Amino acid sequence: ETGVTQTPRHLVMGMTNKKSLKCEQHLGHNAMYWYKQSAKKPLELMFVYNFKEQTENNSVPSRFSPECPNSSHLFLHLHTLQPEDSALYLCASSPDRVAEKLFFGSGTQLSVL
Amino acid sequence: GENVEQHPSTLSVQEGDSAVIKCTYSDSASNYFPWYKQELGKGPQLIIDIRSNVGEKKDQRIAVTLNKTAKHFSLHITETQPEDSAVYFCAASQVQGTDKLIFGTGTRLQVFP
Repeated sequence: ETGVTQTPRHLVMGMTNKKSLKCEQHLGHNAMYWYKQSAKKPLELMFVYNFKEQTENNSVPSRFSPECPNSSHLFLHLHTLQPEDSALYLCASSPDRVAEKLFFGSGTQLSVL
Repeated sequence: GENVEQHPSTLSVQEGDSAVIKCTYSDSASNYFPWYKQELGKGPQLIIDIRSNVGEKKDQRIAVTLNKTAKHFSLHITETQPEDSAVYFCAASQVQGTDKLIFGTGTRLQVFP
């Protein structure tokens, strides 16, 4: 619908697992973002990529590892997560890096057991 | 850094009534103020935005007003309909200065028929 597709929609993982979240945008945008959405908290920016180059790492723990192979695809690799990492992870894209007019995917609801 | 406060956290209105959501920001350098609507099971969607050189902007039943002196901006929805029920987020950023959109904590709007 928005042109930004995220998979999977739901993910349950143990603290010792390794998993990856995938995002794909069909809008021809140059910038892509990962946001974390937790209950009763503002959306937290995690990473920004512009033309495949990481331009922002918002003090995110190393157990989250982003990858942007091209301007259309964005991954978030997860390993040894903690229960407090349970949240909705949203991918977004925008025409350029100034964070205007973000188009969000529907998110991946992550539960860490 | 920028801090955005949003009120109220929940708002219930009767269909046909108006709804107003207010946000304040802390950084006087912020010059771009978007509003996003998030429906259940979906990512946030941009519904209207305003820049600091404009005091008011309208789009059909929604309008946003900005008071730069007081550093606050508001979303106004007139003639509310049940499909307006969602969580609304305000945000602030410095266009051409940062990749960061700083979001408010959200307002859950319920429109009762």
